[in-house]
Amino acid sequence: AQKVTQAQTEISVVEKEDVTLDCVYETRDTTYYLFWYKQPPSGELVFLIRRNSFDEQNEISGRYSWNFQKSTSSFNFTITASQVVDSAVYFCALLNTGGFKTIFGAGTRLFVKA
Amino acid sequence: GAVVSQHPSWVICKSGTSVKIECRSLDFQATTMFWYRQFPKQSLMLMATSNEGSKATYEQGVEKDKFLINHASLTLSTLTVTSAHPEDSSFYICSGWGENSPLHFGNGTRLTVT
Repeated sequence: AQKVTQAQTEISVVEKEDVTLDCVYETRDTTYYLFWYKQPPSGELVFLIRRNSFDEQNEISGRYSWNFQKSTSSFNFTITASQVVDSAVYFCALLNTGGFKTIFGAGTRLFVKA
Repeated sequence: GAVVSQHPSWVICKSGTSVKIECRSLDFQATTMFWYRQFPKQSLMLMATSNEGSKATYEQGVEKDKFLINHASLTLSTLTVTSAHPEDSSFYICSGWGENSPLHFGNGTRLTVT
């Protein structure tokens, strides 16, 4: 079975706080890709990161960082010093190269208050 | 970077008519296109996967005769909603996958059937 779980439905933080969005996935494939996307109120999906299953290096991009742990099937996303503009819905997604389909998590709605 | 152009961005049509949504990959060859549907405040649900030159693979519960998908070239895929009804009103999004592509999404099409 393939599944992506984002257990946090909504998170509310105050500006400048750090926040971590959790993502846990299930797949039988050994080769797969994981993604994070941001969906602001305007509706478009903004690509944030792609990771393949063979690359467990953590990544940092500005205030964003990702922690990929195959041992726990998790791909968590941390925003450091959050800003109001970070308010959006964030989706974690899995692409299996075996059956070649994409599965999205339910999304986490992040509210950053000034 | 890679861009996927989707249009129209919104469309209103009368019940019983058909609507075509286009998705073009502008600077990469999309060997695979994914089509999704998103209801308000919900996640993206994969409708179908199409490979260039082949018939689309539909997810369970998606009517292939109602949602016609064509992927005739490496840069263009279309979704036609045939005989649309109000319950087909939704946000439809495409994404393209090609070698070295991070799975970029179109900006979505908001369909309203009256």
